[in-house]
Amino acid sequence: AQSVTQLGSHVSVSEGALVLLRCNYSSSVPPYLFWYVQYPNQGLQLLLKYTSAATLVKGINGFEAEFKKSETSFHLTKPSAHMSDAAEYFCASKGPGTASKLTFGTGTRLQVTL
Amino acid sequence: EPEVTQTPSHQVTQMGQEVILRCVPISNHLYFYWYRQILGQKVEFLVSFYNNEISEKSEIFDDQFSVERPDGSNFTLKIRSTKLEDSAMYFCASSKQGQSQETQYFGPGTRLLVL
Repeated sequence: AQSVTQLGSHVSVSEGALVLLRCNYSSSVPPYLFWYVQYPNQGLQLLLKYTSAATLVKGINGFEAEFKKSETSFHLTKPSAHMSDAAEYFCASKGPGTASKLTFGTGTRLQVTL
Repeated sequence: EPEVTQTPSHQVTQMGQEVILRCVPISNHLYFYWYRQILGQKVEFLVSFYNNEISEKSEIFDDQFSVERPDGSNFTLKIRSTKLEDSAMYFCASSKQGQSQETQYFGPGTRLLVL
């Protein structure tokens, strides 16, 4: 069975600082991995996804994530935080097969301070 | 940009009542999903639906739940007799295809409160 672990339910960074949100997966085969963001009162929006084409994945809003099989990780980073990045971030995985369900982590709430 | 919509945004109901949550997936998508998030917990998969049939369902999706695509645009989740523990945010999602690398696009959710 697949699982995704997000370390840190809350992360606070200063505006302009590096953002690092951690995600580790547990799967017998490398899964497909996704990062979603949820702004207040909105749905889940895809930031980026790993589909085995490239280990470094660039997404929207300046975010990127690197798939590291040796560490079973898919951490999300952004070089310089902006106030508008404050939101909840979810890492999720999917296994093989059609209509595959997403398995989500518990989420990390990012706070950006002045 | 096309998006998934859900109605209502909030629903309050009494325990034992039936509720129907509605979703309009993106128009050219073929695969539909429901997820829920109990306050403070993970987003959990409930059910996937394709070609008017359930493709996969979780252990949460018991006999009190049902899904339907009553017309060409709506996708509904019915809870027959609500329980207190059904209180959660319910998300609808859709994808163009069903392959694992396909992105699932989520709606804004319906917050259900069972009293």
